[in-house]
Amino acid sequence: DTAVSQTPKYLVTQMGNDKSIKCEQNLGHDTMYWYKQDSKKFLKIMFSYNNKELIINETVPNRFSPKSPDKAHLNLHINSLELGDSAVYFCASSQVFSSYEQYFGPGTRLTVT
Amino acid sequence: AQTVTQSQPEMSVQEAETVTLSCTYDTSESDYYLFWYKQPPSRQMILVIRQEAYKQQNATENRFSVNFQKAAKSFSLKISDSQLGDAAMYFCAYRRKSSGDKLTFGTGTRLAVRP
Repeated sequence: DTAVSQTPKYLVTQMGNDKSIKCEQNLGHDTMYWYKQDSKKFLKIMFSYNNKELIINETVPNRFSPKSPDKAHLNLHINSLELGDSAVYFCASSQVFSSYEQYFGPGTRLTVT
Repeated sequence: AQTVTQSQPEMSVQEAETVTLSCTYDTSESDYYLFWYKQPPSRQMILVIRQEAYKQQNATENRFSVNFQKAAKSFSLKISDSQLGDAAMYFCAYRRKSSGDKLTFGTGTRLAVRP
């Protein structure tokens, strides 16, 4: 019954590694997002995809690469992880022209050591 | 660029009392959406209430209501009959009325509820 799911929920890794976070929504929405919540709890948009097309790409290092294989999935791959990448990453989804509400996943806490 | 400001980093309320969380925003748009999200320790983002800018009537959801002052660009959240489960971070958020647009969040207010 989970509307927006993310895997993994926790990720601990070392600097320099490459990691991926997966997101899936079963709401039939056509737009998906990645937000980053830093250590001070500030939430900021990273990317947005509509029907598999990138529509928002905020100032994010090139080491972050989103991929949307279909409307229900939006994955986030991070290369060469840095200490500053430690944060909680939230996936969200919404339906254009139908609902302006964004539904959030449970978040992935990434810790880079 | 749109900005959202929450000037109260922390608030505290006695159980069963009423508390108001403040939010102001800046935009040049005339039609947009405003939201309050709750984030308990579980970190799940939960939508509390939403307001469409073109609607003059303040939104209400059970014990939660807003005071939307469009001219003043103010959007405060009132929680009545506070419960222990209301303790959380509360985020005010803004969204333009264009397709697939992002949420712009305030810095959050941590609400403590005293038994």
